Amino acid sequence: DIQMTQSPSTLSAYVGDRVTISCRASQSISTWLAWYQQKPGKAPKLLIYKASNLESGVPSRFSGSGSGTEFTLTISSLQPDDFATYYCLQYSNYWTFGQGTKVEIK
Amino acid sequence: EVQLLESGGALVQPGGSLRLSCAASGFTFINYAMSWVRQAPGKGLEWVSAVSGNSGATYYADSVKGRFSISRDNSRNTLYLQLNSLRAEDTAVYYCAKCRMLTGYDFDYWGQGTLVTVSS
Repeated sequence: DIQMTQSPSTLSAYVGDRVTISCRASQSISTWLAWYQQKPGKAPKLLIYKASNLESGVPSRFSGSGSGTEFTLTISSLQPDDFATYYCLQYSNYWTFGQGTKVEIK
Repeated sequence: EVQLLESGGALVQPGGSLRLSCAASGFTFINYAMSWVRQAPGKGLEWVSAVSGNSGATYYADSVKGRFSISRDNSRNTLYLQLNSLRAEDTAVYYCAKCRMLTGYDFDYWGQGTLVTVSS
């Protein structure tokens, strides 16, 4: 089984900050990685697929990078609507989510 | 517009059974794999099961293998999840999710979820 490890678990930041969330796979997954945003009581929303492809309608301040085992989600300038929990998902071999990163207001 | 509407969640006793449904619209259902993902209260997301577009392939997480069964009725544009031998740790919101491709890939659309509570 492929394990996904996200860091940090919680992140406190100001509006306007550049924010980076990391995800590490226990073995190479090429670029078969997606990023999701989830707000309380809501379904997850797809932000990035195949590691770096921005889903239609998602603001360009979100970007993804990486390949193999190391991946990053970057928010270039944090907006009030971005305070949420973020999950990575590998889909190279079955599906595995990371444990999530909660982005809080500082 | 893609829409996924789950139903069937309920309070059920340990050892009991339940069938969840997900009615899909806004896309050609048979052309896409579908999946179930769950989220226990206050916890993260956990992939549960998936089925290819033509039902030729099914996949299960180890935590539910042998107890849950995924199926789909392409004539009704509906996805199902049969939950048997339920345990307290199966308590969660269950989401239906559309896969990007016929055989899988990422989940590009999600339903709003249905709550399953396993308790005596």
